Amino acid sequence: DTAVSQTPKYLVTQMGNDKSIKCEQNLGHDTMYWYKQDSKKFLKIMFSYNNKELIINETVPNRFSPKSPDKAHLNLHINSLELGDSAVYFCASSLYRGDTEAFFGQGTRLTVV
Amino acid sequence: KQEVTQIPAALSVPEGENLVLNCSFTDSAIYNLQWFRQDPGKGLTSLLLIQSSQREQTSGRLNASLDKSSGRSTLYIAASQPGDSATYLCAVMAGSEKLVFGKGTKLTVNP
Repeated sequence: DTAVSQTPKYLVTQMGNDKSIKCEQNLGHDTMYWYKQDSKKFLKIMFSYNNKELIINETVPNRFSPKSPDKAHLNLHINSLELGDSAVYFCASSLYRGDTEAFFGQGTRLTVV
Repeated sequence: KQEVTQIPAALSVPEGENLVLNCSFTDSAIYNLQWFRQDPGKGLTSLLLIQSSQREQTSGRLNASLDKSSGRSTLYIAASQPGDSATYLCAVMAGSEKLVFGKGTKLTVNP
């Protein structure tokens, strides 16, 4: 059983397109995150949600819009994709805010051509 | 602003060697520190979580220590194996409630 699962695993798309990445966790956690790993392998937070409520928005362009239909799901929609959006996007979850262990999904490798 | 630094950036050792990976952070006001492993093209696997009140955690051949006052953590790997080859990431959770990552140490264990 995969604890944090993301789909798709790979995504290749043209500039200007709109795409979505889905994330689901079956751990019963309250808090979910999106992280971005750039070409230099550096991981940085994008968003954090707690019980469907946005907690952290780390100066991400408005083209990125997270949506949490329930606390087990956190999807990421990206409008008007740009070349610089190419990266690996990781979803993660933790039991609650702050002081708990984070569990990560396998990542979605987005390539914009 | 919290910054996490990992030294060395890359490490190559022969199989069987004991090794230490280093992590330092600039703001000692952390909730916890977590060590992850990342295999090429794969996600992150949590290895050890040390709460701010703890000094160390152990799991099998891995031992992680935390010295909050000096802003340092070490990950000790005993009797390294080729299967330990991966990138090891250190991350701290602070009052901002987000994990701040270092850039990782790429470990290669040669048979």
